[in-house]
Amino acid sequence: QVQLVESGGGLVKPGGSLRLSCAASGFTFSDYYMSWIRQAPGKGLEWVSYISSSSSYTNYADSVKGRFTISRDNAKNSLYLQMNSLRAEDTAVYYCARARTYYDSSGYLMYYFDYWGQGTLVTVSS
Amino acid sequence: DIQMTQSPSSLSASVGDRVTITCRASQGISNSLAWYQQKPGKAPKLLLYAASRLESGVPSRFSGSGSGTDYTLTISSLQPEDFATYYCQQYYSTPPTFGQGTKVEIK
Repeated sequence: QVQLVESGGGLVKPGGSLRLSCAASGFTFSDYYMSWIRQAPGKGLEWVSYISSSSSYTNYADSVKGRFTISRDNAKNSLYLQMNSLRAEDTAVYYCARARTYYDSSGYLMYYFDYWGQGTLVTVSS
Repeated sequence: DIQMTQSPSSLSASVGDRVTITCRASQGISNSLAWYQQKPGKAPKLLLYAASRLESGVPSRFSGSGSGTDYTLTISSLQPEDFATYYCQQYYSTPPTFGQGTKVEIK
């Protein structure tokens, strides 16, 4: 069965850095786009970033662009999120999620999320 | 970005009730809508996609409908395990965006 297990969360000071990891199993990791999605305490869901199956394409939410970097290692079935210049508003549970993708008639990429990990908590506080 | 607005934000219902949750997009999304269920401390679970297509393994009491900007999630007969928070998500355009959630509580 599909499993996604995040790690690397913790307490970090504003301006600090953290690297999250997501270990995938139960499916052919290299066939799928992957995403990070976060949820601030008591709040809703916010998409953070995606990466294509071969790492050719990435995209980021405006709120993290220039500070976060998504990457993957298909040989290790792993997804990563390098988070720099962290702010209090980055405090959240971070989920990795498998994206189910397709292209519409115009060739535009569309995706939603069919499997999610249990999440890892990132707290940014002094 | 496309804004997704869910209503109500919360509701109280009894086991066996029919429950309807509405999701409105700030522009047309051509049925590019998914629904998720999230229980406390757990990851979201995909229920439906393409507005009305049931994900494999999801009970048939869940259904979805709608078009254009307005969509609904219906639970035909609420079961004890259905008490949770439900989110809609549009994937018509990037960035994908979520509604604020609807919490379904026990009456």
